[in-house]
Amino acid sequence: GENVEQHPSTLSVQEGDSAVIKCTYSDSASNYFPWYKQELGKRPQLIIDIRSNVGEKKDQRIAVTLNKTAKHFSLHITETQPEDSAVYFCAASINTDKLIFGTGTRLQVFP
Amino acid sequence: GAVVSQHPSRVICKSGTSVKIECRSLDFQATTMFWYRQFPKQSLMLMATSNEGSKATYEQGVEKDKFLINHASLTLSTLTVTSAHPEDSSFYICSARSSGGYQETQYFGPGTRLLVL
Repeated sequence: GENVEQHPSTLSVQEGDSAVIKCTYSDSASNYFPWYKQELGKRPQLIIDIRSNVGEKKDQRIAVTLNKTAKHFSLHITETQPEDSAVYFCAASINTDKLIFGTGTRLQVFP
Repeated sequence: GAVVSQHPSRVICKSGTSVKIECRSLDFQATTMFWYRQFPKQSLMLMATSNEGSKATYEQGVEKDKFLINHASLTLSTLTVTSAHPEDSSFYICSARSSGGYQETQYFGPGTRLLVL
């Protein structure tokens, strides 16, 4: 079955700096890769997703890149703000079916 | 956007009792819903896939007789934790998959925090 690894587990940045979180997956059949932001005690919130027919997608300060050959994808947050502090999860699935999540990255943005 | 609700948001029960959690898609029909469990400071782990009108598909290691899933309509799936024990205490989150062709995705409910005493 699919296995998703995520790094780093914690990430601290200064406000205004960029943050990058990386994930790798094992199943080459996976074609849908969402990223979620989860605040303490809340539901995961979809912030961006990418499908395997594109290599990059951007939405304002957030971008995701996908390398199908290497089976890895990354989340890039630019101009970080304190409100970006949360736990971020990557996930992989086939055709938006069951999601296999990474282990999460706790991002702290210091003012 | 699509809205998914869960009820109750929090439940405390005695060991040995059963607890039912409801997951509803409020503004779309979901033929497929998913149930996840999240222990403190851990990731979400898929428990089972719930398909409307058919039996749920459980992930390896999840006891189907302990975690009963019913998906009787296109907007409602229920998870019943039978004979709950303290080790079942966790955050249970459902998601519903919207049917939008290329743009389909999963929308998560707000979660149910279960504490078994």
